[in-house]
Amino acid sequence: DTGVSQDPRHKITKRGQNVTFRCDPISEHNRLYWYRQTLGQGPEFLTYFQNEAQLEKSRLLSDRFSAERPKGSFSTLEIQRTEQGDSAMYLCASSEGLTQANYGYTFGSGTRLTVV
Amino acid sequence: AQSVAQPEDQVNVAEGNPLTVKCTYSVSGNPYLFWYVQYPNRGLQFLLKYITGDNLVKGSYGFEAEFNKSQTSFHLKKPSALVSDSALYFCAVRVQDTGRRALTFGSGTRLQVQP
Repeated sequence: DTGVSQDPRHKITKRGQNVTFRCDPISEHNRLYWYRQTLGQGPEFLTYFQNEAQLEKSRLLSDRFSAERPKGSFSTLEIQRTEQGDSAMYLCASSEGLTQANYGYTFGSGTRLTVV
Repeated sequence: AQSVAQPEDQVNVAEGNPLTVKCTYSVSGNPYLFWYVQYPNRGLQFLLKYITGDNLVKGSYGFEAEFNKSQTSFHLKKPSALVSDSALYFCAVRVQDTGRRALTFGSGTRLQVQP
């Protein structure tokens, strides 16, 4: 396990469809984060898990968005009834709780969503 | 609320010259400050952080940053730029001791190092 894995790398979907992304964090990391990045902008925080508990959610995470981390390992991010404004890169990151402040997060390469 | 400003969309520097990428922040409390780099089609990579202590922080690939509390700045520096340093750089902040984990990122600065 050499890093954070995200699947798929790219997703093209029609407006109104549902999509689900998966993130596999570094195995010993108990904290997992989702961010969204649009073109020309920095990443924006969506949500944060410690183990299986979702501890923090951004106002950006509307009712159409839901994230889970059922066993404290991998996480899924689902977007229902996609809109063109959802087109973005969705980034997952993980960290080990005791050293997060020292090493920052490890980010995955992201899932690029295009809603047509 | 917390925020980060990166006032320059792009910084151009000749290879071998020193580089500076600027960052200012705003938090209610003491900050954790980070720099990340993003190469095309790759995820964000951690460069360095300021938590507490020495205001001059050294990180990966020869980069360093100086925390200035009075100016609320955390500028990224490197004494001698390489062409391979060309990438997108993000400054990020979160406030200490609140339990909140969300990082707030700046909008990024594109560094272009010319040979």
